[in-house]
Amino acid sequence: SQTIHQWPATLVQPVGSPLSLECTVEGTSNPNLYWYRQAAGRGLQLLFYSVGIGQISSEVPQNLSASRPQDRQFILSSKKLLLSDSGFYLCAWSVRGTRYGNTIYFGEGSWLTVV
Amino acid sequence: AQTVTQSQPEMSVQEAETVTLSCTYDTSESNYYLFWYKQPPSRQMILVIRQEAYKQQNATENRFSVNFQKAAKSFSLKISDSQLGDTAMYFCAVQGAQKLVFGQGTRLTINP
Repeated sequence: SQTIHQWPATLVQPVGSPLSLECTVEGTSNPNLYWYRQAAGRGLQLLFYSVGIGQISSEVPQNLSASRPQDRQFILSSKKLLLSDSGFYLCAWSVRGTRYGNTIYFGEGSWLTVV
Repeated sequence: AQTVTQSQPEMSVQEAETVTLSCTYDTSESNYYLFWYKQPPSRQMILVIRQEAYKQQNATENRFSVNFQKAAKSFSLKISDSQLGDTAMYFCAVQGAQKLVFGQGTRLTINP
């Protein structure tokens, strides 16, 4: 069966510090990968998605970036965090190949607090 | 572009009652899918039910069912015989090409 893991689960970082959140998927190949952010009390905002190694699409201009160095690894980064980057970050995956209707499955999420 | 609107920020019902959560959406895609996800206090996003837009038959999953009105772009979720464990945030979502777009969520509380 497929599983998705992301870490760290919680993170407290000072303003201006770098960020690296990692996500890996097991039990499948060539997945679509996603990073979502959920601000407190709000819905999920799609940040990045990837259909393959090195292929990243950005949905929201910001100081965050994403990379996919391996097929099942997705990394969310920032060189300098802002207070507004605080939130709950969710990595997700779906089966690749069919363009529509692939259910997206989520990881456990990472709480980021920028202080 | 895709948008999803959930007009009920909060709802509260008694255990064993039936509750319906509303969702309307807009999409320019001709092929798309609709989902309801549940987010309990643990924050894990859990798929509740999914509906293919090309199917007229409403999806059901045990106590959960949807009322899909394609022309009205409406996709409501009905929870029958509600249980305390159904207490959570519920998100409606529409998926077009590659992207899944969420509504703002409805906080549902089931009272004993």
